[in-house]
Amino acid sequence: QQQVKQSPQSLIVQKGGISIINCAYENTAFDYFPWYQQFPGKGPALLIAIRPDVSEKKEGRFTISFNKSAKQFSLHIMDSQPGDSATYFCAALPPSLEYGNKLVFGAGTILRVKS
Amino acid sequence: DGGITQSPKYLFRKEGQNVTLSCEQNLNHDAMYWYRQDPGQGLRLIYYSQIVNDFQKGDIAEGYSVSREKKESFPLTVTSAQKNPTAFYLCASSISGRRTGELFFGEGSRLTVL
Repeated sequence: QQQVKQSPQSLIVQKGGISIINCAYENTAFDYFPWYQQFPGKGPALLIAIRPDVSEKKEGRFTISFNKSAKQFSLHIMDSQPGDSATYFCAALPPSLEYGNKLVFGAGTILRVKS
Repeated sequence: DGGITQSPKYLFRKEGQNVTLSCEQNLNHDAMYWYRQDPGQGLRLIYYSQIVNDFQKGDIAEGYSVSREKKESFPLTVTSAQKNPTAFYLCASSISGRRTGELFFGEGSRLTVL
């Protein structure tokens, strides 16, 4: 119940196309869903995040779509650029009586945008 | 600049040796974490600490040990008991007292066991 399943494992998109990465979870108590972006040789960094009371959140070319009933959420990258080539992780924050940010991460998606 | 510094960036170890990875932060965060990254397996939590002199095991703590003697420092020791230690290790920190879902990561340490 603490897992987050992410797909696809890798993705190749043409420049200007739409990149879509999907995640699914079982634990309905998760209450925060961030996406992290990681460039080769670097640590991940927070990209965008959403709470389950919101169905969509957009920041520039990045959009999270959230389907609470299906227990799924996805990242859409519009007008994908070569500079977006990176590994993307979805994550979920479990509820906890103790303060903390112990995220549960998906397996990651390696995105390559071809120019 | 505030951030997290991990060292060394690359480390080679012979089987049977312990090795310690350093993690220092100047973000004034109370909470610190160690994650292990393997291809296709995402980030798995090894240990975390919410406050100085206190830490808890994560999902894959076997073969690892940590200490938290100072707020700024959270070193990870990979012991000879860890069966498959070759991996990319990431240290992170977060604001304590608030569940923001935001972790600040270092640039990682890549450990290779020869």
